Amino acid sequence: DIQMTQSPSSLSASVGDRVTITCRASQSISDYLNWYQQKPGKAPKLLISAASNLQSGVPSRFSGRGSGTDFTLTISSLQPEDFATYHCQQTYSTPWTFGQGTKVDFK
Amino acid sequence: QVQLQESGPGLVKPSETLSLTCTVSGGSVSRNYWSWIRQPAGKGLEWIGRIYSGGSTNYNPSLKSRVTMSVDTSKRQVSLKLESVTVADTAMYYCAREEYYGSGNLWSFDFWGQGTLVTVSS
Repeated sequence: DIQMTQSPSSLSASVGDRVTITCRASQSISDYLNWYQQKPGKAPKLLISAASNLQSGVPSRFSGRGSGTDFTLTISSLQPEDFATYHCQQTYSTPWTFGQGTKVDFK
Repeated sequence: QVQLQESGPGLVKPSETLSLTCTVSGGSVSRNYWSWIRQPAGKGLEWIGRIYSGGSTNYNPSLKSRVTMSVDTSKRQVSLKLESVTVADTAMYYCAREEYYGSGNLWSFDFWGQGTLVTVSS
């Protein structure tokens, strides 16, 4: 199985901060990498597919980069509704696997 | 807008079989892959497996010996059975649609159900 490791596991930030979350794969996964946002008590929501493809309706302050083994999700200016947990996921090979999640909370 | 709704018992006894159904509305079950994903409280997401509308399946090897998925296109339902459950199978269970981007292995979960909590306890 491909292991996905996110860092940090949690971070505290303020509204307006620039936030970057890293996801590292245990082997090269090309750009087969998705990012999801999950709020408490809710299902995950797809933010970015194929490492950098922003989904329709997702604010442009979200961006994704990377290829191979190293990927980042950046929120350029954190908004109150962005406090949530973020998950990366690979679809290079089954079983699809997720990172452990990064919780973004209020500083 | 595609909507998914999971249903099934919220409490299952150890060693018994967990059975869940995902009902799809606002779209067709056909020509899509449907996945089951679970999340223990406070933990990360684990992909259980997926089924194509035609019936072909891919299961997570960690659960493969205990998992069976099926699809009923006429009822717009996808089902999950997990045998011989233990307390470690206690989790929120989600069904999700897989979207394919037509290139290599570019898949993503674009629609999710709200999830159903299953507790394994005697």
